[in-house]
Amino acid sequence: SYVLTQPPSVSVAPGKTARITCGGNNIGNKNVHWYQQKPGQAPLLVIYFDTDRPSGIPERISGTNFGNTATLTISRVEGGDEADYYCQVWDSNTDHYVFGPGTKVNVL
Amino acid sequence: EVQLEESGGGLVQPGRSLRLSCAASGFRFGDYAMHWVRQVPGKGLEWVSGISWNSGKIAYADSVKGRFTISRDNAKNSLYLQMIRLRAEDTAFYYCAKDTHGDYGGWHFDAWGRGTLVTVSS
Repeated sequence: SYVLTQPPSVSVAPGKTARITCGGNNIGNKNVHWYQQKPGQAPLLVIYFDTDRPSGIPERISGTNFGNTATLTISRVEGGDEADYYCQVWDSNTDHYVFGPGTKVNVL
Repeated sequence: EVQLEESGGGLVQPGRSLRLSCAASGFRFGDYAMHWVRQVPGKGLEWVSGISWNSGKIAYADSVKGRFTISRDNAKNSLYLQMIRLRAEDTAFYYCAKDTHGDYGGWHFDAWGRGTLVTVSS
């Protein structure tokens, strides 16, 4: 089955840029989606198809996907960005959806 | 506004059964595939099962295949998850999630319920 890797945590100061990576074998050939989950809340889609933002998601949040790494970038980080972030892909070999293990973003 | 509301969670003994429901509103339920995703408290997300708009395509994670059954009733705008032979490792919050397309496979989830907690313990 397809495996995704993410760093357990990323720490960033307010106003700086947070980059969250999602690794997978040739993940650049897949569509990557990202979800934000704050404590006690359901996940929220923040990026789909590598780079697209749903309505209501600020332009500070962006995504890229090349080679073996997809990256979620949060610019001008705010306290409200503190959350867990999960990447997700579709594994066509198994017909299953796959989530990464998640990255906790800590705002210093 | 899209709303998904799960129900049916609770405390159940190992080996017993439980049926979860998800009531949908705010969109044409019958046009979209639907999924169940679970999360052990304090841990990550795990996709459990998905069903296409017309129930023609259904899939399960290996961890639940043969024990869980997903179904839907488009007339009632409802999604279900029948769980049998429950194990301690099935303890988790179970979320109902809306797909962005009607056919199963390849897409993502653009709306989630608040989840219902299933605790499997003696």
